[in-house]
Amino acid sequence: EAGVAQSPRYKIIEKRQSVAFWCNPISGHATLYWYQQILGQGPKLLIQFQNNGVVDDSQLPKDRFSAERLKGVDSTLKIQPAKLEDSAVYLCASSRTGGIEAFFGQGTRLTVV
Amino acid sequence: GQSLEQPSEVTAVEGAIVQINCTYQTSGFYGLSWYQQHDGGAPTFLSYNALDGLEETGRFSSFLSRSDSYGYLLLQELQMKDSASYFCAVRYTNAGKSTFGDGTTLTVKP
Repeated sequence: EAGVAQSPRYKIIEKRQSVAFWCNPISGHATLYWYQQILGQGPKLLIQFQNNGVVDDSQLPKDRFSAERLKGVDSTLKIQPAKLEDSAVYLCASSRTGGIEAFFGQGTRLTVV
Repeated sequence: GQSLEQPSEVTAVEGAIVQINCTYQTSGFYGLSWYQQHDGGAPTFLSYNALDGLEETGRFSSFLSRSDSYGYLLLQELQMKDSASYFCAVRYTNAGKSTFGDGTTLTVKP
């Protein structure tokens, strides 16, 4: 089966600009996660969707980050405006409902200059 | 928030055995997962323990002691390709959300 697809793979923007990342999960996976991974750290959950509803967004900086999964399949994560400290890899993952294993995409490496 | 502790770096030689430990906060614990991540790659799932004991999958085994809030990943017959970062991740609910540690970088030397 096809894995989790993410685009773009790399993005460089200036601070205060906006950026969007796209994720297509594995077919049939109702649960979708966005993680932020800063260099040298583990992935930190930003938001979890179950179908098109938000399950957990407690660590999402809502003043600048937003995410949606309108049809319960693809998802978009947006940052506006970006800050230098947003430089990180943004990982999308999906799983079956209640599934133990999360399947990760290759991530988008964001550099804010 | 919930925190996990694991060593930042481990070095071993090819063919050896290495153990990567992970301690976690107990409150709300549901299960412990292990993920492998090569440089520039995606994390990939290795194992999961919800009950005390050892789970074996080929060269990799994972152990959990709920009473000690402790688990470990055991890698046997190390190969060069095992050089990667290894993350323990605690699942605190049945809804799937996991909190990751900061990872252990394993370097395998010839």
